[in-house]
Amino acid sequence: QVQLVESGGGLVKPGGSLRLSCAASGFTFSDYCMTWIRQAPGKGLEWVSYISSTGSTIYYADSVKGRFTISRDNAKNTLFLQMNSLRAEDTAVYYCARVATVTMVYFDYWGQGILVTVSS
Amino acid sequence: QSVLTQPPSASGTPGQRVTISCSGSSSNIGSNYVYWYQQLPGTAPKLLIYRNDQRPSGVPDRFSGSKSGTSASLAISGLRSEDEADYYCAAWDDSLSGEVFGTGTKVTVL
Repeated sequence: QVQLVESGGGLVKPGGSLRLSCAASGFTFSDYCMTWIRQAPGKGLEWVSYISSTGSTIYYADSVKGRFTISRDNAKNTLFLQMNSLRAEDTAVYYCARVATVTMVYFDYWGQGILVTVSS
Repeated sequence: QSVLTQPPSASGTPGQRVTISCSGSSSNIGSNYVYWYQQLPGTAPKLLIYRNDQRPSGVPDRFSGSKSGTSASLAISGLRSEDEADYYCAAWDDSLSGEVFGTGTKVTVL
């Protein structure tokens, strides 16, 4: 069955960096686009970033552009999110999710989420 | 901030029908498909509706979606206690080149 497991979260000071990973299994990872979505405590969902199956196409939300970098290693079935210059408002649970199709951007499988806390 | 607007809450008694609206613009709902996600307390979101009105396998037919112009709606008929959750609409936004989510609606079963 499809599984997505995030790791790498934790407490970091403002201005610091963190790298999230998402280990995928149960499907051919290299065939699917992937995405990161976050949810601040008590708030709604916010899309963060998207990467195509080969990594050739990447999109970011304006709120993270220039600070976050999405990447993937298809040989290791792993998705990454490098987060730099972190701010308090980046505090959230971060979910990785599989994009269901190339032509329609929706998310059919989600990880359990990993908490990132930015605080001094 | 969220680009798609939903009512913050909706409620009903068991067996009733509840409808949640989602209002967007020409760059998102007006030109792309709408999706709906259900988030039960303390869990990750789950896909509920895709391509405006399609249900993934395993989603009860009590849930239905529709779209008209720049708005969409999710209906839950035969409301059950296990439907208590937060519901989010979503769509791709051509102007932003990104996915946008609704503000979210908390459904309470009275």
